[in-house]
Amino acid sequence: SQQGEEDPQALSIQEGENATMNCSYKTSINNLQWYRQNSGRGLVHLILIRSNEREKHSGRLRVTLDTSKKSSSLLITASRAADTASYFCATVEKGSNYKLTFGKGTLLTVNP
Amino acid sequence: DTAVSQTPKYLVTQMGNDKSIKCEQNLGHDTMYWYKQDSKKFLKIMFSYNNKELIINETVPNRFSPKSPDKAHLNLHINSLELGDSAVYFCASSLAGGGDTQYFGPGTRLTVL
Repeated sequence: SQQGEEDPQALSIQEGENATMNCSYKTSINNLQWYRQNSGRGLVHLILIRSNEREKHSGRLRVTLDTSKKSSSLLITASRAADTASYFCATVEKGSNYKLTFGKGTLLTVNP
Repeated sequence: DTAVSQTPKYLVTQMGNDKSIKCEQNLGHDTMYWYKQDSKKFLKIMFSYNNKELIINETVPNRFSPKSPDKAHLNLHINSLELGDSAVYFCASSLAGGGDTQYFGPGTRLTVL
């Protein structure tokens, strides 16, 4: 069954603006991960946040996790045209050591 | 020096045929996965192997049979292909399980006519 739901499904912004994508999930988790997929390519891991963490940074990426609301957000600051891609959140449910369950993704378009 | 590689990249075949997709990782990882991504980009796990042992089998029709000859390889064989099997299939690997970061291959686009 599907775990993560990203919101919005699609987002279009101008270069230099910030992009925020949200993810909600249903069960208790070990960790939550964000991946990027460029058109026609494989997925690339961006960031992993554990259930006992609230915020993590990596370069222009900032991820937050609110386990009480079962939600996470991915913020991309100072976006670039090269950030255009689909972004997926994926969760590892507690008790499921190997299974990563993906959401439907947010398609981000950054216009030059 | 590709980390996770898949062959072929594209596969076009007729209904009823049998085909295989190969995956290899040179990362020294213990766990490998097969995912199916449908036309709406929904990505769903199919199988996972840890050290050549099957640990996840997500109610996939038994026409799909994974084979792991060693921990660096996980191949996917599909019998009696159906139109609904058309999708992009991704192989991935991770160091162990436990929700480790997964490294994905470039995908194999399967089209069944």
